[in-house]
Amino acid sequence: DAKTTQPNSMESNEEEPVHLPCNHSTISGTDYIHWYRQLPSQGPEYVIHGLTSNVNNRMASLAIAEDRKSSTLILHRATLRDAAVYYCILHQLGGANAGGTSYGKLTFGQGTILTVHP
Amino acid sequence: NAGVTQTPKFQVLKTGQSMTLQCAQDMNHEYMSWYRQDPGMGLRLIHYSVGAGITDQGEVPNGYNVSRSTTEDFPLRLLSAAPSQTSVYFCASTQGAAYNSPLHFGNGTRLTVT
Repeated sequence: DAKTTQPNSMESNEEEPVHLPCNHSTISGTDYIHWYRQLPSQGPEYVIHGLTSNVNNRMASLAIAEDRKSSTLILHRATLRDAAVYYCILHQLGGANAGGTSYGKLTFGQGTILTVHP
Repeated sequence: NAGVTQTPKFQVLKTGQSMTLQCAQDMNHEYMSWYRQDPGMGLRLIHYSVGAGITDQGEVPNGYNVSRSTTEDFPLRLLSAAPSQTSVYFCASTQGAAYNSPLHFGNGTRLTVT
C-alpha cells in the first residue's frame, strides 16, 4: 500500500501562512490525495482532496507536485482554531466489490501536529 | 444538522463483557465505516458498509461484528471485550465512493476495557 510521510510537528504564528508538506513517493495513478484534520477530543474533519491539479476551497489550498510524489496543504492565514493534527492520506480504490461498487479505504498515518502561536 | 452521531461518548467494560457502539447519520449517506484510533497507530479501518444489508471487513476486523439493517444506522458490536480493544472509536459516513467524497466523522466513543 502506498504510504505518506509527514513531519511530526510544525509551528506557526497567527495570521501567517502555513505550508504542511506530505511525501507519497509510491503513489499510484489512481490514488487521490486527501487531507483531514483532527482537533482535540473530536473526530477527523475533511479539509480538501485532489488528484492531479491544485485545488482550492474555503478552508485551504492543495498544491500537488507534477510527479504527484508530494503535496502541500496551504493554510493562507493560520488562526488559533487551526491548531490540530493534520493527516495526509492516499485514498486507494479497493476492498470487496459489493452491489457493483467498491469502497476505497482510507489509511490514516501519524499526521502533523500544528501549533499556532498568538 | 446532526451529521454523524455516536453513542455513548465514554464506556468502561470488564474483560469478557459485550456491548454495542451506536452510530447514526441523517445525511442519507450510502457508505458508513468504523475506525479505531490508538496512540502512535493513526486511524485503522475496522468494518465498512456500502449500503443497507452490505458489510465488509477492514484492516482490523477481529473481535468486532457489524450489521446494516437501515441506511441511517451502523452499530459496532464487541462480543467479548478484551483490553486490546481499549481505544477511541470513530464512525464515518460518505455519500459516494470515499476516494472522491469527503468522509464525515462522529466525535467518537472512548472505550476502556479493564
